[in-house]
Amino acid sequence: DTGVSQDPRHKITKRGQNVTFRCDPISEHNRLYWYRQTLGQGPEFLTYFQNEAQLEKSRLLSDRFSAERPKGSFSTLEIQRTEQGDSAMYLCASSGDGTGGSYEQYFGPGTRLTVT
Amino acid sequence: RKEVEQDPGPFNVPEGATVAFNCTYSNSASQSFFWYRQDCRKEPKLLMSVYSSGNEDGRFTAQLNRASQYISLLIRDSKLSDSATYLCVVIPGYSSASKIIFGSGTRLSIRP
Repeated sequence: DTGVSQDPRHKITKRGQNVTFRCDPISEHNRLYWYRQTLGQGPEFLTYFQNEAQLEKSRLLSDRFSAERPKGSFSTLEIQRTEQGDSAMYLCASSGDGTGGSYEQYFGPGTRLTVT
Repeated sequence: RKEVEQDPGPFNVPEGATVAFNCTYSNSASQSFFWYRQDCRKEPKLLMSVYSSGNEDGRFTAQLNRASQYISLLIRDSKLSDSATYLCVVIPGYSSASKIIFGSGTRLSIRP
């Protein structure tokens, strides 16, 4: 399978704990995006990387959230001191940057986080 | 006014019918547009890009109306498998990914 993969698919944690999610993009894509989606809403942009550089962060991304893409391949999203309001589906997507590739984003299956 | 608005539906239509829904956007500088479909508790899947000239892919036709700032999706000869939520995506330009906006989606239910 050469699509976007995410791990874990589900995570249940207690409030106050830290969690980390991983995303492996499509190998030839240099852009990687993180989104959060809650029930009945479309995905909300959180942050994006072009290669290893984190180019933008949404105001939704509080200081409890951090994302990395150290080698320009896979990325991790960490949430520290989780709160119940963090419960959501966390989606990763990847795309080309238009130079020889497409801007179209392809999504992974998501990580569903439940904070109890 | 929301930056991207969709009628949440649900649209409930019989199999074989033609159904269309729109997505309006507020930023006149928006450059790129897409339609995604999302099944319950699954990730969004790219359905089609929306080009200025409009485009068609089988039973699906997407159109862009820049003057009125909306995109549309038309599904002909609808199938039971078309039941899903359809999300529109509006991107003002590729210099600012934070401006990628998803609509909240339109729910479509096809009945036998």
